[in-house]
Amino acid sequence: SQQGEEDPQALSIQEGENATMNCSYKTSINNLQWYRQNSGRGLVHLILIRSNEREKHSGRLRVTLDTSKKSSSLLITASRAADTASYFCATGSSTSGTYKYIFGTGTRLKVLA
Amino acid sequence: NAGVMQNPRHLVRRRGQEARLRCSPMKGHSHVYWYRQLPEEGLKFMVYLQKENIIDESGMPKERFSAEFPKEGPSILRIQQVVRGDSAAYFCASSPYWDQETQYFGPGTRLLVL
Repeated sequence: SQQGEEDPQALSIQEGENATMNCSYKTSINNLQWYRQNSGRGLVHLILIRSNEREKHSGRLRVTLDTSKKSSSLLITASRAADTASYFCATGSSTSGTYKYIFGTGTRLKVLA
Repeated sequence: NAGVMQNPRHLVRRRGQEARLRCSPMKGHSHVYWYRQLPEEGLKFMVYLQKENIIDESGMPKERFSAEFPKEGPSILRIQQVVRGDSAAYFCASSPYWDQETQYFGPGTRLLVL
């Protein structure tokens, strides 16, 4: 079953507004990462939050992690048209010596100028 | 220090042909991971390799797919007798031996099977 599920699947906002995306997962994790992917391009790493952390900031990005609810959120403040992309959460955990990331299905964000 | 390199970036194959995807990890990285991204979906883990060793191939389809990471040269993901359902973006990531948490992703190879 899918580990990470992003919500909403698609989000359309006006430039300057904030965008919030959520990610839920099922099993224990070591960390959780958020990535951005522009259409047809590779992944850009945004932020990593460890299981013992609750919140992290990076520029206009704010990530929270609630391990009791097995959920994380990504907030992009003062959005720009250039933020238009798909955003994925990826949960990292170690199983039998292999560190794997399991990706969610993504939130497609469209920022209208 | 160049990042993870993948080639080709785009690959078109007809059904039944073979596809070979290459991944050169970052300098000094000895661990390579392959992920597949089907259209409109997230990335799914396929295989984890160290030099000359397949460590975890639990995400690889049982047939037609194989991967290697030789002592010298890039890691190769090979798909034999491709079918339309193999059309996807294939991403490679690498990490140093001492930090598997930090996986650096390549730009991906987009495979289209006609």
